[in-house]
Amino acid sequence: DQQVKQNSPSLSVQEGRISILNCDYTNSMFDYFLWYKKYPAEGPTFLISISSIKDKNEDGRFTVFLNKSAKHLSLHIVPSQPGDSAVYFCAASATGTASKLTFGTGTRLQVTL
Amino acid sequence: NAGVMQNPRHLVRRRGQEARLRCSPMKGHSHVYWYRQLPEEGLKFMVYLQKENIIDESGMPKERFSAEFPKEGPSILRIQQVVRGDSAAYFCASSPTGTNLAKNIQYFGAGTRLSVL
Repeated sequence: DQQVKQNSPSLSVQEGRISILNCDYTNSMFDYFLWYKKYPAEGPTFLISISSIKDKNEDGRFTVFLNKSAKHLSLHIVPSQPGDSAVYFCAASATGTASKLTFGTGTRLQVTL
Repeated sequence: NAGVMQNPRHLVRRRGQEARLRCSPMKGHSHVYWYRQLPEEGLKFMVYLQKENIIDESGMPKERFSAEFPKEGPSILRIQQVVRGDSAAYFCASSPTGTNLAKNIQYFGAGTRLSVL
């Protein structure tokens, strides 16, 4: 039962353009969402998060949008840089569930020159 | 301020041996989480611990796996009698806060890659 889904396994974007990574969830109890970035042979690195009381959170080049009615969130990276090439994981948690994170399967982003 | 430290980075075991994975949380963090990542999959929650207490072990296999976070020292994930299906990357994360708080950002270590021959 995949409660957090990232339906695009990979995405290729030109340097300087916008990267849009998508994530869908099925559990309506999720109220906090996070994006992590992961390089090979390293652990996930926290990027940005959003609470369900908001619909947008911005941090520099990274913006996360949350559409609760559609149970959908997206991560926008603009402008994309070659160093952004990595696997991006969407994760969700629900208050009262011991704060465990439920992860999607990841999207591999490649930013080309 | 050192991040989450995991060791060893790579561990090779033969079937039937024991594997011990260690995790030292970030300074000031008293909440530790273990996740497992199989190839081409996302991370799957295994267990959540605070000092000397297991808070949630709903993701742990019922047999052969155990975890502890003693008052002194690192958290240990122990796998007894390993099988080939245990081969995976095991990640530890820590956070300064725990349950029922919205802004629970978990910070991850670099992982231990377990290979069972």
